[in-house]
Amino acid sequence: GAVVSQHPSRVICKSGTSVKIECRSLDFQATTMFWYRQFPKQSLMLMATSNEGSKATYEQGVEKDKFLINHASLTLSTLTVTSAHPEDSSFYICSARAGQETQYFGPGTRLLVL
Amino acid sequence: LAKTTQPISMDSYEGQEVNITCSHNNIATNDYITWYQQFPSQGPRFIIQGYKTKVTNEVASLFIPADRKSSTLSLPRVSLSDTAVYYCLVGDRLGGYNKLIFGAGTRLAVHP
Repeated sequence: GAVVSQHPSRVICKSGTSVKIECRSLDFQATTMFWYRQFPKQSLMLMATSNEGSKATYEQGVEKDKFLINHASLTLSTLTVTSAHPEDSSFYICSARAGQETQYFGPGTRLLVL
Repeated sequence: LAKTTQPISMDSYEGQEVNITCSHNNIATNDYITWYQQFPSQGPRFIIQGYKTKVTNEVASLFIPADRKSSTLSLPRVSLSDTAVYYCLVGDRLGGYNKLIFGAGTRLAVHP
């Protein structure tokens, strides 16, 4: 149990376009979902926390207008990178948690902006 | 949020037991300790979680002393496939929502 999926697994886009990444909890309802970003050889950096039906809470330094997060249901959260630029190229990972239970992570999405 | 400190890297050989210790001196009363494993280009995988004393599952054991200011992840008889980065995290499981802030982790290399 406790499976989290992400789609797509990798995406390449042109600079200036927007990219949407989906995160789904497949076998449980996730009241809270988290989005992380990870650059090569570095640790995961928390970007934002989203609770179903409410606005996301962003970490300091993360632009909320650039990284749009929607958590419309208990099994789906989306991260949209708007007007992507090469410096946004990274590995984006989501996690989901049901209530106060353990966080389970998705497989990640590799974004490359040309 | 409690900060954790782990060794940056460790080396071991196949078949050996590996113990990775994590310090969390500022752990709060209701904080749990969770360990994750991450392979390159994959999301972290949950290994084990505990609050105090000893927890054991099919892949690892977690030892937590009485003062809870540290914890030790024990991997019995490691294999080459255990080469990965291991993260120790402390988070509040009981009250309010919490967020997991990752430290640098421990890069474990298992050699033949």
